[in-house]
Amino acid sequence: DQQVKQNSPSLSVQEGRISILNCDYTNSMFDYFLWYKKYPAEGPTFLISISSIKDKNEDGRFTVFLNKSAKHLSLHIVPSQPGDSAVYFCAAGGQGGSEKLVFGKGTKLTVNP
Amino acid sequence: KAGVTQTPRYLIKTRGQQVTLSCSPISGHRSVSWYQQTPGQGLQFLFEYFSETQRNKGNFPGRFSGRQFSNSRSEMNVSTLELGDSALYLCASSLLAGLPSDTQYFGPGTRLTVL
Repeated sequence: DQQVKQNSPSLSVQEGRISILNCDYTNSMFDYFLWYKKYPAEGPTFLISISSIKDKNEDGRFTVFLNKSAKHLSLHIVPSQPGDSAVYFCAAGGQGGSEKLVFGKGTKLTVNP
Repeated sequence: KAGVTQTPRYLIKTRGQQVTLSCSPISGHRSVSWYQQTPGQGLQFLFEYFSETQRNKGNFPGRFSGRQFSNSRSEMNVSTLELGDSALYLCASSLLAGLPSDTQYFGPGTRLTVL
């Protein structure tokens, strides 16, 4: 049973436009959500996170939105740059610490110049 | 500060063999987690170690095992390798006991190919 789902395996956008990556989860015990970015031949790097007590968190060009009732979160990148081309993983966990971090399968973002 | 290091970076083994992968966490980090990444499956959690104790375990067969040393370095072992074990194995370290809010820092991974 896949608890964290990223239904779009790939996404292609033009440089300067907005990239929106989506993630759905099924476990209502999840209360902390993260996005990681992964370049080829490198390990994932932490990008941004959000706690369930918030519905939005912003860091520069990156904003994560959380809709708890829909069990949905999204990552917005504005404006998109070619260097943003990577695989983006959504992850979720419970603050209680007993829940391991659960990752989605990833979305490959390509930003075209 | 040096990042998470994993050795070796690449490995080729044959079915039935066993393999040991090594991970050195960021200095001062006490929690080490291991993940398996296969095409189309994302990152699947293997296990987490904290202060030399396995704190959490994913849904993998007993052929997958690990340990952590007093200096927080960790090893994972896969015995009786199967073709399906071919994957990128990622190690991540964090400062404390692996709470989701405690950022995990990943190493570059070990690419294991089983022939």
